[in-house]
Amino acid sequence: EAGVAQSPRYKIIEKRQSVAFWCNPISGHATLYWYQQILGQGPKLLIQFQNNGVVDDSQLPKDRFSAERLKGVDSTLKIQPAKLEDSAVYLCASSLDRTGQAFFGQGTRLTVV
Amino acid sequence: AQSVTQLGSHVSVSEGALVLLRCNYSSSVPPYLFWYVQYPNQGLQLLLKYTSAATLVKGINGFEAEFKKSETSFHLTKPSAHMSDAAEYFCAVTPNAGNMLTFGGGTRLMVKP
Repeated sequence: EAGVAQSPRYKIIEKRQSVAFWCNPISGHATLYWYQQILGQGPKLLIQFQNNGVVDDSQLPKDRFSAERLKGVDSTLKIQPAKLEDSAVYLCASSLDRTGQAFFGQGTRLTVV
Repeated sequence: AQSVTQLGSHVSVSEGALVLLRCNYSSSVPPYLFWYVQYPNQGLQLLLKYTSAATLVKGINGFEAEFKKSETSFHLTKPSAHMSDAAEYFCAVTPNAGNMLTFGGGTRLMVKP
């Protein structure tokens, strides 16, 4: 069974530029999560989708971050404009439903300079 | 609201020695508790989870954890460390069966030969 796929693996951008990350969850998984993991810290949930609807985005900085899952399958997370403090690993995870085990992708490491 | 505290950001043990990684939580409702492991440049992998059944939970790779409500703890142990156990370990809590996890800051386990 293929795991959660994320791309790119690494990205370096200058502050004030925009960037997008892509996630393809495990086939059939209805629930998708984006987490932000700053170096030396535990992951922090940014947003949770159930199919193509948002369940919780209370910790998403909506002035610069946006995420969508239009067809209820893959998802994109965008940052515009990026700040230095956005440097982190962005992890995508998926689960069959809200209570099933969450499987994590390898993450996208973003460096903002 | 819930929170997780992992005592010791770095733990070093000798190969064959006992591994003890500490996790304390706070939760306003009976919690679901998890331990995840993260190897370098990889995503998070579930080690074990407590979901209000048996208080002693056995996970993969010989790890286990015991839920102690009176101490609000969920410490992770392994009787004998192996070199391959070197990784970062995260404790996480959620107030329900869902996967909107609150993670601790992580503990990096180093295993000396």
